[in-house]
Amino acid sequence: AQSVTQLGSHVSVSEGALVLLRCNYSSSVPPYLFWYVQYPNQGLQLLLKYTTGATLVKGINGFEAEFKKSETSFHLTKPSAHMSDAAEYFCAVSIMNRDDKIIFGKGTRLHILP
Amino acid sequence: EPEVTQTPSHQVTQMGQEVILRCVPISNHLYFYWYRQILGQKVEFLVSFYNNEISEKSEIFDDQFSVERPDGSNFTLKIRSTKLEDSAMYFCASNPTGVGANVLTFGAGSRLTVL
Repeated sequence: AQSVTQLGSHVSVSEGALVLLRCNYSSSVPPYLFWYVQYPNQGLQLLLKYTTGATLVKGINGFEAEFKKSETSFHLTKPSAHMSDAAEYFCAVSIMNRDDKIIFGKGTRLHILP
Repeated sequence: EPEVTQTPSHQVTQMGQEVILRCVPISNHLYFYWYRQILGQKVEFLVSFYNNEISEKSEIFDDQFSVERPDGSNFTLKIRSTKLEDSAMYFCASNPTGVGANVLTFGAGSRLTVL
């Protein structure tokens, strides 16, 4: 069965600094990988996804993630943090199966320091 | 942009009461899902639904839970006799085809508080 592990339940970065949120996955077949963001009191919004092809994936709000098969990782980065990036970020994995069910990691809360 | 709509946004109920959470998926989508998020914890898969039947369910989805698509638009989650530990945010999602790299579109969630 597939799973994801997010390192660090809380990450704090200064405004303007690099954002790095770590995600490692486990899957017996080639996975599809996602990052979702949850702003306070809101639902889940897709940031970006990796399916096949280019391993560096660009998403909304300046975020990107790189699929590294050798490291079973899919870390999320943003060159310069903005106050509005403060939110909960969830890494998720899926495989091509009957219903596209996705499995979420435990989430990482990103705090932006002024 | 099409969206998944959930009602109510927040429901407070007494332990032992029945609760129905409603979802209106995106109109041309065929696969529907319920997830839940207990406060401070991860988002957990409950059930997927296709062609008027459950496609897959998790261990969490026990006999107290049921899902239904009573008409062409609504997708409901019923909890027959709520327990304190059912307090959570419940997310509905839908998917066009269910096969391939389609992305689930989530609703804003329904917060259930069981007293």
